[in-house]
Amino acid sequence: DIQMTQSPSSLSASVGDRVTITCQASQDISNYLNWYQQKPGKAPKLLIYDASNLETGVPSRFSGSGSGTDFTFTISSLQPEDIATYYCQQYDNLLIFTFGPGTKVDIK
Amino acid sequence: EVQLVETGGGLIQPGGSLRLSCAASGFTVSSNYMSWVRQAPGKGLEWVSVIYSGGSTYYADSVKGRFTISRDNSKNTLYLQMNSLRAEDTAVYYCARAEGGSAFDIWGQGTMVTVSS
Repeated sequence: DIQMTQSPSSLSASVGDRVTITCQASQDISNYLNWYQQKPGKAPKLLIYDASNLETGVPSRFSGSGSGTDFTFTISSLQPEDIATYYCQQYDNLLIFTFGPGTKVDIK
Repeated sequence: EVQLVETGGGLIQPGGSLRLSCAASGFTVSSNYMSWVRQAPGKGLEWVSVIYSGGSTYYADSVKGRFTISRDNSKNTLYLQMNSLRAEDTAVYYCARAEGGSAFDIWGQGTMVTVSS
């Protein structure tokens, strides 16, 4: 099975800071990588699909890049409403979905 | 409005069974890939199962042989039959649509399942 790692596991940043989260797959997953935001007590929300495509309605300060095994998620200017846990998720040709362990983002 | 509404969660003893339902509106369940994803208290997201538009089903190893995903096209509803429940199955269970087959774009609000004696 493909394993997903994320780093860091948590971070604190100031409003307006650029925030970067990385996600690594244990084998090549092409661009089958998605990013979600989850706020406490709420369902996850899709932000980025297929590594770099912004979901409709999602602010442009969110972006994603990468392919193969290494992926990056960026918030260009952190806002107070971005406080959440962020998860990467892969889909492989074995028809299995796997989530990363998550990155908790806080305001410093 | 496109939405998913889960029901059926509750407190169940170890070894018991429970069936979760997920009613869809605004789109057709049978035309989409539909999944169940769970989240244990204070933990991350864990994919549980998927049913494809063609009817094929797949499961995480942790639930294989115990859980069954299905759908009722006439009711536009997704189900998860959970048997032989264990304490480690305690979680919020979400249903989600996988638009395009890869990304979960629509999520329900979740239903809590607690397995405890």
